[in-house]
Amino acid sequence: AQSVTQLDSQVPVFEEAPVELRCNYSSSVSVYLFWYVQYPNQGLQLLLKYLSGSTLVESINGFEAEFNKSQTSFHLRKPSVHISDTAEYFCAVSWGSALIFGKGTTLSVSS
Amino acid sequence: DTGVSQDPRHKITKRGQNVTFRCDPISEHNRLYWYRQTLGQGPEFLTYFQNEAQLEKSRLLSDRFSAERPKGSFSTLEIQRTEQGDSAMYLCASSRKREGRHNEQFFGPGTRLTVL
Repeated sequence: AQSVTQLDSQVPVFEEAPVELRCNYSSSVSVYLFWYVQYPNQGLQLLLKYLSGSTLVESINGFEAEFNKSQTSFHLRKPSVHISDTAEYFCAVSWGSALIFGKGTTLSVSS
Repeated sequence: DTGVSQDPRHKITKRGQNVTFRCDPISEHNRLYWYRQTLGQGPEFLTYFQNEAQLEKSRLLSDRFSAERPKGSFSTLEIQRTEQGDSAMYLCASSRKREGRHNEQFFGPGTRLTVL
């Protein structure tokens, strides 16, 4: 079975600092990988996804993630965070028709 | 496209009572999923439908849980004889099945259940 490990449960950073949220998955087969963001009292929103092709994927709000097959990782990065990026971030992997999620990383951006 | 909607948004009930949640997917989506999210955890898959057929159920879905999608549109999730351990956020998602391609899931805002 698939599993997803998010190595950091909480990541506090200052505004305009760079950030990396780490995600590792377990799989011996080709996978689809995702990052979802959850703002307080809201549902999950897809941030970005890796399906195939270029290993570097980008979102419209400055986040990027790199698929590394040899390290089975899909870390999320942003060079300069904003207060509005404060949220819970979930890494997920496809498993059949379902998604398997990690436990989440709380990103807290302060001024 | 009004997005996935869920009703109610919050439900407080006493242990032993039955509760039912509703999910309305995006109109052209033929797949519908239920997930459960407990505090400090990521969402966990419960079950999914393609049209009105329930195609997969997780072992998390005990006998007290039942889900339906009678006309292939909205879905209901019922929990009978609720227990305190059922307290969680219940998330619904929908997607459009496309052969040979990943089906992106769109999530609703969730129903937060508190069992006293």
